[in-house]
Amino acid sequence: SYELTQPLSVSVALGQTATITCGGTNIGNKNVHWYQQKPGQAPVLVIYRDTTRPSAIPERFSGSTSRNTATLTIARAQAGDEADYYCQVWDISTAVFGGGTKLTVL
Amino acid sequence: QVQLQESGPGLVKPSQTLSLTCTVSGGSISTVSNYWSWIRQPAGKGLEWIGRVYSNGDTNYNPSLESRVTISADTSKNQFSLKLSSVSAADTAVYYCARGGGRGLDSWGQGTLVTVSS
Repeated sequence: SYELTQPLSVSVALGQTATITCGGTNIGNKNVHWYQQKPGQAPVLVIYRDTTRPSAIPERFSGSTSRNTATLTIARAQAGDEADYYCQVWDISTAVFGGGTKLTVL
Repeated sequence: QVQLQESGPGLVKPSQTLSLTCTVSGGSISTVSNYWSWIRQPAGKGLEWIGRVYSNGDTNYNPSLESRVTISADTSKNQFSLKLSSVSAADTAVYYCARGGGRGLDSWGQGTLVTVSS
């Protein structure tokens, strides 16, 4: 079965840039979606199809992919960006989530 | 703006069947470009996809749960449902329903906690 690997945690200083990676075999050939989940809340889609932001998501959020890694970048990190972030792809007809990354804003 | 709301028992006994319904408002589950998913999250853990249903009844399931899962859609009520049989404590989780399509899972319900305990 297909697997996605994310770091357990990432820390970023307030106002700096955070990068969260999602590793998977040939992930560059798949559409990668990213979700933000704050404590006690449902996940929210922040990036879809590798690089596209839903209209309600700030421009500070961006996505990119390479052959085996997808990356979520959060520029000018704010305290409100503290959350768990999950990547997700489809492997044929099965949705696969990464294990999630806890972002801490220092 | 589409909204989703999960409903169902919050407590299920071991070996019984967990049944949840997701009611969709502000949009139709008959939209061909969408599918309707269930996802769960045990306390303190990550997201686990359970499966999805299209309005025509086609389904896909997580292979690890497939033998115990049934997801169905009721277009007349604009609802879709989850049944998970032979539950154990390992099935205790917050269960989410969500709308999916070309933009990923773009709308989620608030989630409902289901505890498996005698």
